[in-house]
Amino acid sequence: IAGITQAPTSQILAAGRRMTLRCTQDMRHNAMYWYRQDLGLGLRLIHYSNTAGTTGKGEVPDGYSVSRANTDDFPLTLASAVPSQTSVYFCASSDSQGAGELFFGEGSRLTVL
Amino acid sequence: GQNIDQPTEMTATEGAIVQINCTYQTSGFNGLFWYQQHAGEAPTFLSYNVLDGLEEKGRFSSFLSRSKGYSYLLLKELQMKDSASYLCAVMDSNYQLIWGAGTKLIIKP
Repeated sequence: IAGITQAPTSQILAAGRRMTLRCTQDMRHNAMYWYRQDLGLGLRLIHYSNTAGTTGKGEVPDGYSVSRANTDDFPLTLASAVPSQTSVYFCASSDSQGAGELFFGEGSRLTVL
Repeated sequence: GQNIDQPTEMTATEGAIVQINCTYQTSGFNGLFWYQQHAGEAPTFLSYNVLDGLEEKGRFSSFLSRSKGYSYLLLKELQMKDSASYLCAVMDSNYQLIWGAGTKLIIKP
């Protein structure tokens, strides 16, 4: 089934640990995004990639890094997790930069203790 | 700063009509989007407006007034499955989406 796959679905993590959230899409979309969603707030963009080999910072990039080695994969890494990074993380893709129809993965619920 | 405002929560009755409003102040405008998000699930695209007026898609319609910085999503013939959060998002001059916090719609029988 075409779409976006995120892993893990849920994770509890000790503060200070390193964590990578995985995201893979099979729609050959050029643009990919990582958002975090917190209660009472809108989706906030962490990092994005308009095409393979390029990445950019979003609204809340501190503490996170990404890479885009190929079209399909866009992992998000927390180098040293802190409790304020407890959130639901959504990976999304779109056909191109500026296309507002985003396709989202099912989300990764991360709890940092 | 950039801002998207929508009501936090609304309640409506099955079979009725509900209008969810969204007002925005953004740096530039390249379209307004509505997404639906059921609890515990991913957002899914509903509609897109870039020109003033009404866009109709089945039971759902979306309206835009760029001069007023205003949009609404109209849901007709409400069904229990319409219980969800509805997210308003605006694409700014940098082609980045700015998201509202969402409106939780509760449908009662």
